[in-house]
Amino acid sequence: EAQVTQNPRYLITVTGKKLTVTCSQNMNHEYMSWYRQDPGLGLRQIYYSMNVEVTDKGDVPEGYKVSRKEKRNFPLILESPSPNQTSLYFCASRAGPNTEAFFGQGTRLTVV
Amino acid sequence: AQSVTQLGSHVSVSEGALVLLRCNYSSSVPPYLFWYVQYPNQGLQLLLKYTSAATLVKGINGFEAEFKKSETSFHLTKPSAHMSDAAEYFCAVSATPGDSWGKLQFGAGTQVVVTP
Repeated sequence: EAQVTQNPRYLITVTGKKLTVTCSQNMNHEYMSWYRQDPGLGLRQIYYSMNVEVTDKGDVPEGYKVSRKEKRNFPLILESPSPNQTSLYFCASRAGPNTEAFFGQGTRLTVV
Repeated sequence: AQSVTQLGSHVSVSEGALVLLRCNYSSSVPPYLFWYVQYPNQGLQLLLKYTSAATLVKGINGFEAEFKKSETSFHLTKPSAHMSDAAEYFCAVSATPGDSWGKLQFGAGTQVVVTP
């Protein structure tokens, strides 16, 4: 089954404690992205990747890092989480530009 | 740069009534347009997409949308609402001006409530 898998689904952490949210897709897609979803703001792109070792900032990259060492994986790293990063996070993959995105189930992160 | 505006953050419809969700976009090049649905505690699922073929696009669950270039709109409709249509709906646009990668830009979303 074609899918994008994120882990964990729920995470509560404390300010400053580094964390990683994993994302993996099995569709051989070249394009992958991370979004955060906040009420009234829709989905805002954090980072995106067009291929292995090719990443770039989206609209809200501050406080986040990503890496793309393998085509299927695109982890999101929060080096020093802060409460304003409490949000619902989605990973997505696409076959190419202007194609539809496939989304993971989401990770609900709470930073206290 | 492209952008998307969804009119109405919340829409309430009666079961069996028409569902109409409005989406307007701006883009400097011909756009690709999408509607996604998000059920509670789930990811986004594609409802339908416009990719410059037919202007009237049919999607899953009885939804359809019409691309109107003159109005820069891509409104989503369903003739008869079901209780299971209660969800949040997102319009998105993707465009590739110059050497852009075709960023997918989302609207703020419209929450649909269906009343018996």
